[in-house]
Amino acid sequence: DTGVSQDPRHKITKRGQNVTFRCDPISEHNRLYWYRQTLGQGPEFLTYFQNEAQLEKSRLLSDRFSAERPKGSFSTLEIQRTEQGDSAMYLCASRPNRDSYTFGSGTRLTVV
Amino acid sequence: KNEVEQSPQNLTAQEGEFITINCSYSVGISALHWLQQHPGGGIVSLFMLSSGKKKHGRLIATINIQEKHSSLHITASHPRDSAVYICAVRSLGGGADGLTFGKGTHLIIQP
Repeated sequence: DTGVSQDPRHKITKRGQNVTFRCDPISEHNRLYWYRQTLGQGPEFLTYFQNEAQLEKSRLLSDRFSAERPKGSFSTLEIQRTEQGDSAMYLCASRPNRDSYTFGSGTRLTVV
Repeated sequence: KNEVEQSPQNLTAQEGEFITINCSYSVGISALHWLQQHPGGGIVSLFMLSSGKKKHGRLIATINIQEKHSSLHITASHPRDSAVYICAVRSLGGGADGLTFGKGTHLIIQP
């Protein structure tokens, strides 16, 4: 499979716990994006990486959120002290410099 | 106020009908994307446009840069076309390199 992979597909966690999601982009794509989508809404931009550098962060990304792409390949998104409002679909996408985006299937987070 | 507005929000049609979904945006863009999202969340990129018109199978996408408007058309619609169709733009100039999305159009094609 040469698409964008996200793991896990689903995560249920108790409020206050920490969670970490992983995204494996297409190997030759140097740009990687994280988006968040709540029910009935379009996705919202969270952050993006060019290779290992995190070049932009949305104000939606509070201090409890952190993202890394240590070797310019896979990326992780961590949420600390989860809140019920964090429940959403977290989508990862990658692309080469000028081409279209390829999206992963997303990680659906439910905070109970 | 959303920078990207789609209409209609919901659309139910009969198999075989010609479908049009509209997208208007308020900012200067470098590209506009049409995306398809099925239940379960996965998003598939259908088109990336910066001008004119593109066609792929039964799908046609057009964009009018001056009017800041794009349309997605589906000819001879089929129940498997049922999905959420999302318009997204990449803005010109500085700021986030990511996409700004519309809320999507939920399309149901009935047999």
